[in-house]
Amino acid sequence: QKEVEQNSGPLSVPEGAIASLNCTYSDRGSQSFFWYRQYSGKSPELIMSIYSNGDKEDGRFTAQLNKASQYVSLLIRDSQPSDSATYLCAPLRGDSSYKLIFGSGTRLLVRP
Amino acid sequence: DAMVIQNPRYQVTQFGKPVTLSCSQTLNHNVMYWYQQKSSQAPKLLFHYYDKDFNNEADTPDNFQSRRPNTSFCFLDIRSPGLGDAAMYLCATSTRTGQGYTFGSGTRLTVV
Repeated sequence: QKEVEQNSGPLSVPEGAIASLNCTYSDRGSQSFFWYRQYSGKSPELIMSIYSNGDKEDGRFTAQLNKASQYVSLLIRDSQPSDSATYLCAPLRGDSSYKLIFGSGTRLLVRP
Repeated sequence: DAMVIQNPRYQVTQFGKPVTLSCSQTLNHNVMYWYQQKSSQAPKLLFHYYDKDFNNEADTPDNFQSRRPNTSFCFLDIRSPGLGDAAMYLCATSTRTGQGYTFGSGTRLTVV
């Protein structure tokens, strides 16, 4: 079992729709969770962080966390073609090592 | 602006010829990381430093070495690059507060 599981996609949505990206993780000690956006050939860019169960909203982005289910998601509202990228889920290890465990990412394609 | 800078952006090296990639930061973060990312895969942690304390991942090949001469700089040395070492190499920094990483722009390594 991988430490972080993400559907590789591509997830294809029309412009203006809501894109829903999901992630499960195996480390029950993880307390901090991050979503990174990575354009092709570029480095990852931090877009959301979440530390508590529930929802956290930032502009068009909403992160959702359920620690009991070991599940974290990212919703992108009013999707734009510029949102087309790979989204990496990254829990912080629960062993105080300050190491992020990256999933292999979900590729999102927003159709104009 | 405070940032993480990687040089060069693109590096072509010959099979077996030693190569060094560099990373510098103006964020004054005490933790620095080197990741290897191959196409459509998750970033894979090679090393990280807490200040000057070096931490090697168990599955990092001996062919890879790292140096951190001071807080601002970190180097990745590949002693004898093979074709399988062609990848994007990402440098990242963080504090010990469990916040997300800040990535540099990456170095794309090609081995010919």
